[in-house]
Amino acid sequence: GENVEQHPSTLSVQEGDSAVIKCTYSDSASNYFPWYKQELGKRPQLIIDIRSNVGEKKDQRIAVTLNKTAKHFSLHITETQPEDSAVYFCAATELNTGTASKLTFGTGTRLQVTL
Amino acid sequence: DTEVTQTPKHLVMGMTNKKSLKCEQHMGHRAMYWYKQKAKKPPELMFVYSYEKLSINESVPSRFSPECPNSSLLNLHLHALQPEDSALYLCASSRGTGGRETQYFGPGTRLLVL
Repeated sequence: GENVEQHPSTLSVQEGDSAVIKCTYSDSASNYFPWYKQELGKRPQLIIDIRSNVGEKKDQRIAVTLNKTAKHFSLHITETQPEDSAVYFCAATELNTGTASKLTFGTGTRLQVTL
Repeated sequence: DTEVTQTPKHLVMGMTNKKSLKCEQHMGHRAMYWYKQKAKKPPELMFVYSYEKLSINESVPSRFSPECPNSSLLNLHLHALQPEDSALYLCASSRGTGGRETQYFGPGTRLLVL
């Protein structure tokens, strides 16, 4: 099955700096890569995703890049703010199983933005 | 309505109790999921329902029994749980029209087994 590795496990940045989180996946057939943000005691919320037919996607301060050859993808947050503090999970889909998608999550990165 | 709802928010149960978790969505999604999340860990897939049929069971112990009464509802029946089953149980849904789909999560039920 799919295996997703995520680094770093913790990341502390000063407000206004950039943060980068990296993930690698094992199954070359994976074709969808979402990123979820989970604040303490809250549900995981999708912040950005990328499909295998594009190499980069940006949404305001957040961007994701995908390198299919190397099987890695990264999350970039610019101009970080204290409210960006949370745990971030990357994920990858395995091959379709019927009509449902099966996500495999990375181990998570705890991002702390300090003033 | 673009939300997945879950009840109850919190549940405390003994090892001999029987309880149920409920999940509901009205987005017309045809795939629904149960995940288990332990503290400081990623969500771990338990079950997937596709068009109201169980399509994935990730070798979950039989003390967890899922049920999908209709396309909007997903239940997880709990019986004879162990203390190590204490966790946040998350429900999610997606359109169900194929892969590369966004899964939307509910707020979860925080379960404590005594």
